[in-house]
Amino acid sequence: DTGVSQNPRHKITKRGQNVTFRCDPISEHNRLYWYRQTLGQGPEFLTYFQNEAQLEKSRLLSDRFSAERPKGSFSTLEIQRTEQGDSAMYLCASSPTLGFRGMNTEAFFGQGTRLTVV
Amino acid sequence: GQQLNQSPQSMFIQEGEDVSMNCTSSSIFNTWLWYKQDPGEGPVLLIALYKAGELTSNGRLTAQFGITRKDSFLNISASIPSDVGIYFCAGRQESRSTGTASKLTFGTGTRLQVTL
Repeated sequence: DTGVSQNPRHKITKRGQNVTFRCDPISEHNRLYWYRQTLGQGPEFLTYFQNEAQLEKSRLLSDRFSAERPKGSFSTLEIQRTEQGDSAMYLCASSPTLGFRGMNTEAFFGQGTRLTVV
Repeated sequence: GQQLNQSPQSMFIQEGEDVSMNCTSSSIFNTWLWYKQDPGEGPVLLIALYKAGELTSNGRLTAQFGITRKDSFLNISASIPSDVGIYFCAGRQESRSTGTASKLTFGTGTRLQVTL
Protein backbone atom coordinates (compact mmCIF):
# COMPACT_ATOMS: atom_id res chain seq x y z
CA ASP A 1 0.00 0.00 0.00
CA THR A 2 1.59 3.26 -1.09
CA GLY A 3 -0.95 5.61 0.48
CA VAL A 4 -0.82 7.58 3.74
CA SER A 5 -0.92 5.17 6.67
CA GLN A 6 -2.21 6.06 10.13
CA ASN A 7 -2.04 4.01 13.29
CA PRO A 8 -3.97 3.13 15.27
CA ARG A 9 -7.27 3.37 13.41
CA HIS A 10 -9.22 3.61 16.66
CA LYS A 11 -8.22 4.60 20.17
CA ILE A 12 -10.34 4.68 23.29
CA THR A 13 -8.75 6.29 26.29
CA LYS A 14 -9.73 7.52 29.71
CA ARG A 15 -9.80 11.22 30.40
CA GLY A 16 -6.44 12.43 31.64
CA GLN A 17 -4.39 9.80 29.82
CA ASN A 18 -1.81 10.60 27.14
CA VAL A 19 -2.18 9.25 23.62
CA THR A 20 0.13 9.19 20.61
CA PHE A 21 -0.80 8.68 16.97
CA ARG A 22 1.51 7.86 14.10
CA CYS A 23 1.37 8.88 10.45
CA ASP A 24 3.47 7.44 7.64
CA PRO A 25 3.20 9.67 4.58
CA ILE A 26 3.61 8.71 0.95
CA SER A 27 7.34 8.11 0.66
CA GLU A 28 8.26 10.85 -1.82
CA HIS A 29 6.11 13.50 -0.12
CA ASN A 30 8.02 16.01 1.99
CA ARG A 31 5.00 17.92 3.30
CA LEU A 32 2.90 16.42 6.07
CA TYR A 33 -0.28 17.83 7.59
CA TRP A 34 -2.44 17.05 10.62
CA TYR A 35 -6.14 17.88 10.70
CA ARG A 36 -8.88 17.24 13.25
CA GLN A 37 -12.44 16.41 12.31
CA THR A 38 -15.31 16.39 14.78
CA LEU A 39 -18.65 14.77 14.03
CA GLY A 40 -20.64 16.59 11.39
CA GLN A 41 -17.85 19.04 10.56
CA GLY A 42 -15.18 19.37 7.95
CA PRO A 43 -11.52 18.77 8.81
CA GLU A 44 -9.76 21.61 10.63
CA PHE A 45 -6.08 22.33 10.19
CA LEU A 46 -3.79 21.65 13.14
CA THR A 47 -0.21 21.82 11.87
CA TYR A 48 2.09 21.05 8.97
CA PHE A 49 5.70 20.05 8.33
CA GLN A 50 8.08 20.62 5.47
CA ASN A 51 10.51 17.74 5.94
CA GLU A 52 11.34 17.86 9.66
CA ALA A 53 10.51 21.55 10.14
CA GLN A 54 7.14 22.42 11.67
CA LEU A 55 6.15 25.47 9.64
CA GLU A 56 2.68 26.36 10.89
CA LYS A 57 0.54 25.60 13.92
CA SER A 58 -3.13 26.39 14.37
CA ARG A 59 -4.51 28.05 17.47
CA LEU A 60 -6.49 24.81 17.86
CA LEU A 61 -3.21 23.14 18.81
CA SER A 62 -3.21 23.81 22.53
CA ASP A 63 -0.17 23.25 24.71
CA ARG A 64 -1.42 19.73 25.42
CA PHE A 65 -0.81 18.84 21.77
CA SER A 66 2.60 18.25 20.26
CA ALA A 67 3.57 17.01 16.83
CA GLU A 68 6.95 15.85 15.64
CA ARG A 69 8.53 14.66 12.46
CA PRO A 70 12.08 13.93 13.62
CA LYS A 71 13.62 12.55 10.44
CA GLY A 72 11.32 14.11 7.92
CA SER A 73 9.55 10.83 7.31
CA PHE A 74 6.85 9.62 9.71
CA SER A 75 5.16 11.95 12.17
CA THR A 76 3.62 11.56 15.60
CA LEU A 77 0.87 13.57 17.25
CA GLU A 78 0.70 13.38 21.02
CA ILE A 79 -2.13 14.61 23.19
CA GLN A 80 -1.40 14.93 26.88
CA ARG A 81 -4.02 14.86 29.63
CA THR A 82 -6.81 14.07 27.21
CA GLU A 83 -10.20 15.71 27.64
CA GLN A 84 -13.59 14.62 26.33
CA GLY A 85 -13.50 17.51 23.89
CA ASP A 86 -10.49 15.89 22.23
CA SER A 87 -12.73 13.12 20.89
CA ALA A 88 -12.49 13.40 17.12
CA MET A 89 -11.03 11.88 13.98
CA TYR A 90 -7.39 12.89 13.55
CA LEU A 91 -6.41 12.96 9.90
CA CYS A 92 -2.94 13.02 8.43
CA ALA A 93 -2.20 14.09 4.88
CA SER A 94 0.91 14.42 2.77
CA SER A 95 1.85 16.19 -0.44
CA PRO A 96 4.94 16.76 -2.55
CA THR A 97 6.59 20.18 -2.71
CA LEU A 98 4.35 22.38 -4.81
CA GLY A 99 5.59 22.40 -8.36
CA PHE A 100 3.46 22.35 -11.45
CA ARG A 101 -0.08 22.58 -10.16
CA GLY A 102 -2.21 19.53 -10.52
CA MET A 103 -4.09 16.91 -8.58
CA ASN A 104 -0.86 14.97 -7.97
CA THR A 105 0.55 17.92 -6.02
CA GLU A 106 -2.39 18.14 -3.64
CA ALA A 107 -2.76 16.58 -0.20
CA PHE A 108 -3.58 12.87 0.00
CA PHE A 109 -5.28 11.88 3.23
CA GLY A 110 -4.92 8.80 5.37
CA GLN A 111 -7.86 6.91 6.83
CA GLY A 112 -7.57 8.73 10.12
CA THR A 113 -7.36 7.76 13.78
CA ARG A 114 -10.65 7.99 15.64
CA LEU A 115 -10.09 9.01 19.25
CA THR A 116 -12.76 8.53 21.88
CA VAL A 117 -12.10 9.95 25.34
CA VAL A 118 -14.32 8.47 28.05
CA GLY B 1 -11.58 27.57 13.28
CA GLN B 2 -12.99 29.01 10.08
CA GLN B 3 -15.14 26.73 7.94
CA LEU B 4 -16.53 27.52 4.52
CA ASN B 5 -20.29 27.50 4.01
CA GLN B 6 -21.63 24.65 1.92
CA SER B 7 -25.17 24.19 0.70
CA PRO B 8 -27.26 22.24 0.77
CA GLN B 9 -26.33 20.61 4.05
CA SER B 10 -27.83 17.32 2.87
CA MET B 11 -29.80 16.02 -0.06
CA PHE B 12 -31.72 12.94 -1.04
CA ILE B 13 -31.87 12.26 -4.74
CA GLN B 14 -32.92 9.43 -7.01
CA GLU B 15 -30.44 7.44 -9.02
CA GLY B 16 -29.92 9.06 -12.39
CA GLU B 17 -30.60 12.60 -11.22
CA ASP B 18 -28.10 15.43 -11.48
CA VAL B 19 -26.78 17.05 -8.30
CA SER B 20 -25.53 20.56 -7.63
CA MET B 21 -23.85 21.91 -4.53
CA ASN B 22 -21.91 25.02 -3.75
CA CYS B 23 -19.41 26.50 -1.37
CA THR B 24 -18.99 30.12 -0.36
CA SER B 25 -16.40 32.03 1.61
CA SER B 26 -15.89 35.51 2.99
CA SER B 27 -12.22 35.24 2.00
CA ILE B 28 -10.52 34.90 -1.35
CA PHE B 29 -8.80 31.62 -2.17
CA ASN B 30 -6.25 30.89 -4.88
CA THR B 31 -7.12 27.21 -5.10
CA TRP B 32 -10.39 25.37 -4.69
CA LEU B 33 -10.58 21.62 -4.14
CA TRP B 34 -13.45 19.17 -3.84
CA TYR B 35 -13.14 16.02 -1.71
CA LYS B 36 -15.48 13.09 -1.02
CA GLN B 37 -15.47 11.28 2.29
CA ASP B 38 -17.02 7.90 3.02
CA PRO B 39 -17.90 6.90 6.62
CA GLY B 40 -14.82 6.06 8.66
CA GLU B 41 -12.43 7.03 5.88
CA GLY B 42 -10.29 10.01 5.00
CA PRO B 43 -11.28 12.52 2.31
CA VAL B 44 -10.45 11.61 -1.29
CA LEU B 45 -9.64 14.34 -3.80
CA LEU B 46 -12.07 14.62 -6.70
CA ILE B 47 -11.27 17.85 -8.52
CA ALA B 48 -8.73 20.70 -8.22
CA LEU B 49 -9.29 24.25 -9.53
CA TYR B 50 -6.50 26.82 -9.86
CA LYS B 51 -7.83 29.76 -11.85
CA ALA B 52 -10.81 32.06 -11.36
CA GLY B 53 -13.56 31.14 -13.81
CA GLU B 54 -12.02 27.74 -14.49
CA LEU B 55 -14.43 24.90 -15.28
CA THR B 56 -12.99 21.40 -14.80
CA SER B 57 -14.47 17.95 -15.28
CA ASN B 58 -13.56 14.54 -13.91
CA GLY B 59 -15.89 11.93 -15.35
CA ARG B 60 -19.43 12.73 -14.24
CA LEU B 61 -18.16 15.51 -11.97
CA THR B 62 -17.82 19.13 -13.05
CA ALA B 63 -16.60 21.93 -10.82
CA GLN B 64 -16.16 25.66 -11.28
CA PHE B 65 -13.91 28.22 -9.61
CA GLY B 66 -16.01 31.33 -9.04
CA ILE B 67 -15.00 34.60 -10.68
CA THR B 68 -14.93 36.39 -7.34
CA ARG B 69 -12.56 33.68 -5.96
CA LYS B 70 -14.95 33.39 -3.01
CA ASP B 71 -17.03 30.48 -4.22
CA SER B 72 -17.04 27.19 -6.07
CA PHE B 73 -19.65 24.81 -7.44
CA LEU B 74 -19.72 21.05 -7.92
CA ASN B 75 -22.12 19.21 -10.20
CA ILE B 76 -22.59 15.45 -10.43
CA SER B 77 -24.44 14.16 -13.44
CA ALA B 78 -26.50 10.96 -13.62
CA SER B 79 -25.92 10.00 -9.98
CA ILE B 80 -25.31 6.39 -9.02
CA PRO B 81 -25.51 4.66 -5.61
CA SER B 82 -21.73 4.85 -5.06
CA ASP B 83 -21.96 8.66 -5.13
CA VAL B 84 -23.33 8.45 -1.59
CA GLY B 85 -21.08 10.20 0.88
CA ILE B 86 -20.11 13.61 2.21
CA TYR B 87 -18.67 16.15 -0.21
CA PHE B 88 -16.32 18.82 1.10
CA CYS B 89 -14.99 21.89 -0.59
CA ALA B 90 -11.63 23.21 0.52
CA GLY B 91 -9.85 26.46 -0.21
CA ARG B 92 -6.19 27.35 -0.04
CA GLN B 93 -4.46 30.72 0.09
CA GLU B 94 -0.97 30.17 -1.27
CA SER B 95 1.98 32.37 -0.62
CA ARG B 96 2.61 34.30 -3.82
CA SER B 97 6.18 35.06 -2.82
CA THR B 98 7.27 31.50 -2.12
CA GLY B 99 4.68 29.63 -4.13
CA THR B 100 4.41 27.13 -1.31
CA ALA B 101 1.31 25.22 -0.42
CA SER B 102 -0.19 25.76 2.97
CA LYS B 103 -3.21 24.71 4.94
CA LEU B 104 -6.63 23.92 3.53
CA THR B 105 -9.80 25.46 4.92
CA PHE B 106 -12.66 23.02 4.58
CA GLY B 107 -16.38 23.53 4.19
CA THR B 108 -19.05 22.13 6.46
CA GLY B 109 -19.92 19.38 3.99
CA THR B 110 -22.88 18.28 1.87
CA ARG B 111 -24.23 14.83 2.66
CA LEU B 112 -25.53 13.08 -0.43
CA GLN B 113 -27.87 10.12 -0.28
CA VAL B 114 -29.03 8.36 -3.41
CA THR B 115 -32.19 6.29 -3.55
CA LEU B 116 -32.78 3.64 -6.14
